Amino acid sequence: GAVVSQHPSWVICKSGTSVKIECRSLDFQATTMFWYRQFPKQSLMLMATSNEGSKATYEQGVEKDKFLINHASLTLSTLTVTSAHPEDSSFYICSAKTSGGAVYNEQFFGPGTRLTVL
Amino acid sequence: QKEVEQNSGPLSVPEGAIASLNCTYSDRGSQSFFWYRQYSGKSPELIMSIYSNGDKEDGRFTAQLNKASQYVSLLIRDSQPSDSATYLCAVNGKNSGGSNYKLTFGKGTLLTVNP
Repeated sequence: GAVVSQHPSWVICKSGTSVKIECRSLDFQATTMFWYRQFPKQSLMLMATSNEGSKATYEQGVEKDKFLINHASLTLSTLTVTSAHPEDSSFYICSAKTSGGAVYNEQFFGPGTRLTVL
Repeated sequence: QKEVEQNSGPLSVPEGAIASLNCTYSDRGSQSFFWYRQYSGKSPELIMSIYSNGDKEDGRFTAQLNKASQYVSLLIRDSQPSDSATYLCAVNGKNSGGSNYKLTFGKGTLLTVNP
């Protein structure tokens, strides 16, 4: 149980284009999903918390107009990187929270999307 | 700034030995603690969660929590070469929206188990 998928697994795009990444919870409903970014040799940094049916909560320093998040259903959240630039190249990973109180917050991660912007 | 500190390693142990991984955190209000394993180029995999002081065992893994000392550890018994990975400590805390749904990760400890 608690399987999260992500698509695509990797993408290469030209500078200035937009890229959409999908995150799906396959065997459970996830009212809350999370988007992380990981640069080489760095740890995971939370970008935003995505709540089904409401606006995402972005962490300090993350541009909400550049990283558009939509969580339209209990099993799908999308992250769109708009007008991508080489500095946006990174490993983007989503996670989903299983049911349970806020204090627990067990998160299961998707396989990640490696984005390379040329 | 809430922080989670780990020794970056690398920690090298022989096959069959016990690997001990440590983590300290700064937020005294944290209530949930997690250990994730991350293989190179892959996403993290949850291996242990712990919420109460003391030990929690699951197979070859034992998590230990001491909230007074703000210290979490992970012991891996009978270490195998397949355990070679980066181990991330994660602590639950407040996100920017004020809910309780943010995990702060340490930078991870690289473990190498030598055959």
